[in-house]
Amino acid sequence: DAGVTQSPTHLIKTRGQQVTLRCSPKSGHDTVSWYQQALGQGPQFIFQYYEEEERQRGNFPDRFSGHQFPNYSSELNVNALLLGDSALYLCASSLVDSNQPQHFGDGTRLSIL
Amino acid sequence: ILNVEQSPQSLHVQEGDSTNFTCSFPSSNFYALHWYRWETAKSPEALFVMTLNGDEKKKGRISATLNTKEGYSYLYIKGSQPEDSATYLCAFGAGDYKLSFGAGTTVTVRA
Repeated sequence: DAGVTQSPTHLIKTRGQQVTLRCSPKSGHDTVSWYQQALGQGPQFIFQYYEEEERQRGNFPDRFSGHQFPNYSSELNVNALLLGDSALYLCASSLVDSNQPQHFGDGTRLSIL
Repeated sequence: ILNVEQSPQSLHVQEGDSTNFTCSFPSSNFYALHWYRWETAKSPEALFVMTLNGDEKKKGRISATLNTKEGYSYLYIKGSQPEDSATYLCAFGAGDYKLSFGAGTTVTVRA
């Protein structure tokens, strides 16, 4: 039973570029959430997707956008990259109820030069 | 922005000793409190999801309690082992599909 998979593992970009991160949820899960974890902080909620719609969003600018596909996989897109976007990006999948535990992928480490 | 605080930030424990640490969260609009364990080079792993005031959950040597009225949860590790070394994260849910995470407590168990 495959868990949550994220790709790529590491990515290096320069300021102003655009990036797309990908996530495949755990089998049977229909909800995908994205988090940004900067050094020394806990994961910060970016947004959550359910039924191919953004259901909730955290305090992130419009440069951060996403998509969920019919097979429940998801993408996180970040435009006009800033140095401050350097972080570990975590994807988590779950069943639709907020009382369900989230299952995390290993993350994508994004470095902006 | 919801304030979820964890203390201490880090602690060192001798193998065999027991320890505990705290997660503080808003006492209003409570829906769920999650605990995750995050070992180095791995992904965060769910330990508990707690929803009721007074809830107590146990998984092996790890247990957690919940007080929603005063806004805190304790995580206990009994008889710490080296494999318990990890960062322990708590996350508060207000029922709006967002989880607000604390910065974590990093536990190092010394043999």
